[in-house]
Amino acid sequence: VQLVESGGGLVQPGKSLKLSCSASGFTFSSYGMHWIRQAPGKGLDWVAYISSSSGTVYADAVKGRFTISRDNAKNTLYLQLNSLKSEDTAIYYCATTGLGYWGQGVMVTVSS
Amino acid sequence: DIQMTQSPSLLSASVGDRVTINCKASQNINKYLNWYQQKLGEAPKLLIYNTNNLQTGIPSRFSGSGSGTDYTLTISSLQPEDFGTYFCFQHNSWPGTFGAGTKLELK
Repeated sequence: VQLVESGGGLVQPGKSLKLSCSASGFTFSSYGMHWIRQAPGKGLDWVAYISSSSGTVYADAVKGRFTISRDNAKNTLYLQLNSLKSEDTAIYYCATTGLGYWGQGVMVTVSS
Repeated sequence: DIQMTQSPSLLSASVGDRVTINCKASQNINKYLNWYQQKLGEAPKLLIYNTNNLQTGIPSRFSGSGSGTDYTLTISSLQPEDFGTYFCFQHNSWPGTFGAGTKLELK
């Protein structure tokens, strides 16, 4: 199992960013996927989940601003981040259902 | 949301020691409790799933126990590669929630 995140970077408050997570080594379409984040020097916060049938669940802190999606043909998971705030600054990890396997993470910095 | 209270936050131990880390949930989580190890600059790694199931490739010195609201991770004989931060995670109900972490350092 390999998960590789991309798309992070420095963005101004109120702007948008789209993260990707490329999956390999398993049947991506059959599994739910998560996004989890970790602010610098802090603990872990679960962000969002998408089932194999594309049902979604969000943490209250991101509901209405973030959108999780998937493209099974491309074996890729996405997280669209809109209306970004400074408190969204974190390393964002994608992970398989049950949080069994994680990517290496991608840094998102929200600052003017 | 279910709150996970993890203790201790800092644990100093020596190679060969037996160590335990605890997580207490604010309500019954029906053994849906995972343990993760994270080393500096790396992603978390799953050690134990659903209270007491050892993830493939994880040494048998790691074990988990518990039920209801109280759960424990035990390392039977600490090895140099075991130092890092440990997190618990409950996935009994949405949203899943993590403990604040236990930093395991060399005494």
